[in-house]
Amino acid sequence: NAGVTQTPKFRVLKTGQSMTLLCAQDMNHEYMYWYRQDPGMGLRLIHYSVGEGTTAKGEVPDGYNVSRLKKQNFLLGLESAAPSQTSVYFCASSYATLTYEQYFGPGTRLTVT
Amino acid sequence: AQKITQTQPGMFVQEKEAVTLDCTYDTSDPSYGLFWYKQPSSGEMIFLIYQGSYDQQNATEGRYSLNFQKARKSANLVISASQLGDSAMYFCAMREGGGYQKVTFGTGTKLQVIP
Repeated sequence: NAGVTQTPKFRVLKTGQSMTLLCAQDMNHEYMYWYRQDPGMGLRLIHYSVGEGTTAKGEVPDGYNVSRLKKQNFLLGLESAAPSQTSVYFCASSYATLTYEQYFGPGTRLTVT
Repeated sequence: AQKITQTQPGMFVQEKEAVTLDCTYDTSDPSYGLFWYKQPSSGEMIFLIYQGSYDQQNATEGRYSLNFQKARKSANLVISASQLGDSAMYFCAMREGGGYQKVTFGTGTKLQVIP
């Protein structure tokens, strides 16, 4: 039982390059989330998904796209990376009830130069 | 308006003492849940404790307890008998009911335990 895994753990991009972050969970959770964490800002929700084939915008969705083709996977894409997207990205998943906590992946540290 | 407010950017506590980390929240939804997470320097997010809006009693988990004051919209985390390993960032978060089930995080409090 791996929980929530994220690939890659670290990445350096040049401005304008694209990349995809992969999140996988093996807990059969309905909900999945992508957050970014910046110093002094806490975690901010980028996009989330309440089920396979569905996605929705969070608090800071601009510059990102997501897809959830399979229940266990949630992909975050950056089409044209910008220095402002330098951050630590966390994926999380949870059951579809109020009381269950989110389980987090280990994070991906992305630097855009 | 901020949904979750943590007014203490940083705090110090002596080892073996108790410490309270403040969290206030803002919601008009009658059904919501409050969470506390710990983030050590290694970076992972660790779930600590949960309090539901309809729970009659304050939540407790080992050395962690949540001082839930609904009328004041506060959900403070109390750590008893602090240990050096408690040094970390602590985040308060809220999940609101309804169709979205999104979770909003506060900006965190950095706790440092002094030997």
